[in-house]
Amino acid sequence: QVQLVESGGGVVQPGRSLRLSCAASGFSFSYSAMHWVRQAPGKGLEWVAAVSQDGNDKYYADSVKGRFTMSRDNSKNSLYLQMNSLRGEDTAVYYCAKGRGGIAAAADYWGQGTLVTVSS
Amino acid sequence: QSVLTQPPSVSAAPGQKVTISCSGSSSSIGNNYVSWYQQVPGTAPKLLIYDNNKRPSGIPDRFSGSKSGTSATLGITGLQTGDEADYYCGTWDSSLLPGSYAFGTGTKVTVL
Repeated sequence: QVQLVESGGGVVQPGRSLRLSCAASGFSFSYSAMHWVRQAPGKGLEWVAAVSQDGNDKYYADSVKGRFTMSRDNSKNSLYLQMNSLRGEDTAVYYCAKGRGGIAAAADYWGQGTLVTVSS
Repeated sequence: QSVLTQPPSVSAAPGQKVTISCSGSSSSIGNNYVSWYQQVPGTAPKLLIYDNNKRPSGIPDRFSGSKSGTSATLGITGLQTGDEADYYCGTWDSSLLPGSYAFGTGTKVTVL
């Protein structure tokens, strides 16, 4: 069965960096676009970033552009989110999600999420 | 703020039907497939509908989706207490290149 397991969350001071990872299993990882989606406490879903199947095309929300970098390693079935210059408004549960196919397709499986808290 | 607008809440009695609207634009819903997600508080979202009106395996046919122009609708019939959750629409938005994915503002469904 499809499994997505995020890790790397925690408490970090404003301006510092954090790297999230997502380990994928149970499907052909290299055939699926992947997404990061976050949810601030008590708020709705916010799409953060997406990467194409081969990793060559990346898309970012304006709120994280220039600060966050998404990458993938198809040989390790892994997804990453490098988050720099973190701000209080980046505090959220971060989910990795599998696309049904290409970059614009629906996200059909989600991880359980990892909490990132940006606070001094 | 989101480019997709949903009503904050809808409610109905058990066994009744509710519909949730999702309003977008020609660059979002108008030219892309719409998906719907269910999120029970404290859990990860789950895909309910993809490609406007298709249900993944395991999703009951009480859930249905439709799209017309720049709007989409999720319908839930035979409402059950287990349907109490937040519901989000989602679609690709190509208003600003290279494009981005967008979620709706979310709708809380309450079973009276």
